[in-house]
Amino acid sequence: QLALTQSPSASASLGASVKLTCTLSSGRSSFAITWHQQRPQMGPRFLMKLNYDGSHTNGDGIPDRFSGSSSGAERYLTISSLQSEDEADYYCQTWGTGFGVFGGGTKLTVL
Amino acid sequence: QVQLVESGGDLVRPGGSLRLSCAASGFSFSDYYMSWIRQAPGKGLEWLSYISTDGNIIYYAESVKGRFTISRDNSKNALFLQMSTLRAEDTAVYYCARVITTSVWTGLGYWGQGTLVTVSS
Repeated sequence: QLALTQSPSASASLGASVKLTCTLSSGRSSFAITWHQQRPQMGPRFLMKLNYDGSHTNGDGIPDRFSGSSSGAERYLTISSLQSEDEADYYCQTWGTGFGVFGGGTKLTVL
Repeated sequence: QVQLVESGGDLVRPGGSLRLSCAASGFSFSDYYMSWIRQAPGKGLEWLSYISTDGNIIYYAESVKGRFTISRDNSKNALFLQMSTLRAEDTAVYYCARVITTSVWTGLGYWGQGTLVTVSS
């Protein structure tokens, strides 16, 4: 079964950039993923779809500060010009016939 | 704009049943695969099930297979999750979600605000 691995936590300073990682399990490096943000006490929000080649499409209203990239089985979410409201949990998600799966999430702290 | 509004969450005893609903608006509901996801208190997101546009293709996570049933009514723009034989570990906020692209199972693109199900005696 396919699995997604995320670091449990990350931190970066206000105004800086941060790069979060989602790793696809072995042999799954061609899979696309989606990134989702979940602020405290809120439902998730779709950020972008990220393809294996690094091309990505942001969701409605998602600013260009949020970008994606890929390298092999790694999928990245880069947030630039960090703002206080970016402090949230970030989840990657992928899918296939008969299943959907989420990474464990990364809690981002903005210092 | 796309809106998904879940309802039906409640406090239910172990072994009980509950039916969740998700009202969809702002898009052509019958053109999109739909899915249910849950989040236990303090935990991450767990995919539960998805259903095709016409309801003929359905899959479940192992954790709910045989106990939960997903369905949809395209005439009413509604998605459902019938939950039975509920356990304490089913306690969670339940979200419905729509995929990004029409006609295929793919990444999730829109979420509801969630409805809380608590299983406790």
